[in-house]
Amino acid sequence: AAGVIQSPRHLIKEKRETATLKCYPIPRHDTVYWYQQGPGQDPQFLISFYEKMQSDKGSIPDRFSAQQFSDYHSELNMSSLELGDSALYFCASSLPGTSTDTQYFGPGTRLTVL
Amino acid sequence: DAKTTQPPSMDCAEGRAANLPCNHSTISGNEYVYWYRQIHSQGPQYIIHGLKNNETNEMASLIITEDRKSSTLILPHATLRDTAVYYCIVRLGQGAQKLVFGQGTRLTINP
Repeated sequence: AAGVIQSPRHLIKEKRETATLKCYPIPRHDTVYWYQQGPGQDPQFLISFYEKMQSDKGSIPDRFSAQQFSDYHSELNMSSLELGDSALYFCASSLPGTSTDTQYFGPGTRLTVL
Repeated sequence: DAKTTQPPSMDCAEGRAANLPCNHSTISGNEYVYWYRQIHSQGPQYIIHGLKNNETNEMASLIITEDRKSSTLILPHATLRDTAVYYCIVRLGQGAQKLVFGQGTRLTINP
């Protein structure tokens, strides 16, 4: 079965640079979630989109922005990168119209800020 | 603001059943219990979820107490590939609700 696709899988940036992470949800899924997992930490919710509208927001820095496009893929834009942004970034997708709204995760993007 | 409590670590022998407990004493009537696991830096993997009845799928069984204040995830025949961090998460079943990860249980399967 098709899964969530994330690109790139690895990304290395310098401080103060910009990064864009992409997420392609499971076909027919209309909701996308972004999570950040720092070294040795548990995943933390950043932001979510349902039908191209922001549906919830967590501890996402103002330097980060995200959007969901008409084909339901999503992009997380990160500017003025800091060393502390080095983390795994996971995207998940779900279909809330179903009875259980289960989230399925992608393999993640490992961002390293030097 | 996780609503669950899990032991930080557990060990289990390969081939035996692994029983992972979770306390969720403040669960509300319309909240489900979800289980995910994360195998070293991979994306969290959905395992199973339930509301009040016991559930079973190809991966595991979920036993929820009658008062719904605790549950147990059972991996019937653990293998080395089941070594992972297991997260018990309580959330609404609908409405695009985020997942709030607690510390989870680090399960180690020993040969």
